[in-house]
Amino acid sequence: SQTIHQWPATLVQPVGSPLSLECTVEGTSNPNLYWYRQAAGRGLQLLFYSVGIGQISSEVPQNLSASRPQDRQFILSSKKLLLSDSGFYLCAWTRDRGTEAFFGQGTRLTVV
Amino acid sequence: GDSVTQMEGPVTLSEEAFLTINCTYTATGYPSLFWYVQYPGEGLQLLLKATKADDKGSNKGFEATYRKETTSFHLEKGSVQVSDSAVYFCALSEVETGGFKTIFGAGTRLFVKA
Repeated sequence: SQTIHQWPATLVQPVGSPLSLECTVEGTSNPNLYWYRQAAGRGLQLLFYSVGIGQISSEVPQNLSASRPQDRQFILSSKKLLLSDSGFYLCAWTRDRGTEAFFGQGTRLTVV
Repeated sequence: GDSVTQMEGPVTLSEEAFLTINCTYTATGYPSLFWYVQYPGEGLQLLLKATKADDKGSNKGFEATYRKETTSFHLEKGSVQVSDSAVYFCALSEVETGGFKTIFGAGTRLFVKA
């Protein structure tokens, strides 16, 4: 069966520090991968999605970047965090059109 | 581009009340439509889905019908329970170059009082 792992679960980082959140999927190949952010009191915003290794689409201009160094690995990064980067970050994957998205447990990021 | 619009919350109901959460979408093709639920502190999980026009998705007493003519996918439940308190997200999955993109509405928080 397929599983998705996302870590860390919580993170407190100072403004200006770097960020690296990792997400890996097991039990499938060539998944579509996504990073979403859920800010306090707001909905789910698509940040990046990837249809293959090295292929990243950015949905909104921002302080973050994403990379997909391996088929089932998706990394969310920042060189210098801003206070506005605080939020709940969710990694997800989908297989085919019409199939559901499977989500990781999320990372609660607080930038102080 | 594609988008999903759902009614703003929070929605507060008494137990056993009827629930409707409206969702409309815009898409260039023929998307699949979904409702996801998020319980406190957790990720999202699929509640129900519909892949073509006039399909009805259902699960745990919740239902939604894919209405192409009105581009809607409203979520309904005849009698809510306290345990249904959560955030509900409407979503669509659409073909993109080489793959499929899933986008979500803003979410609607539901509070059910005993």
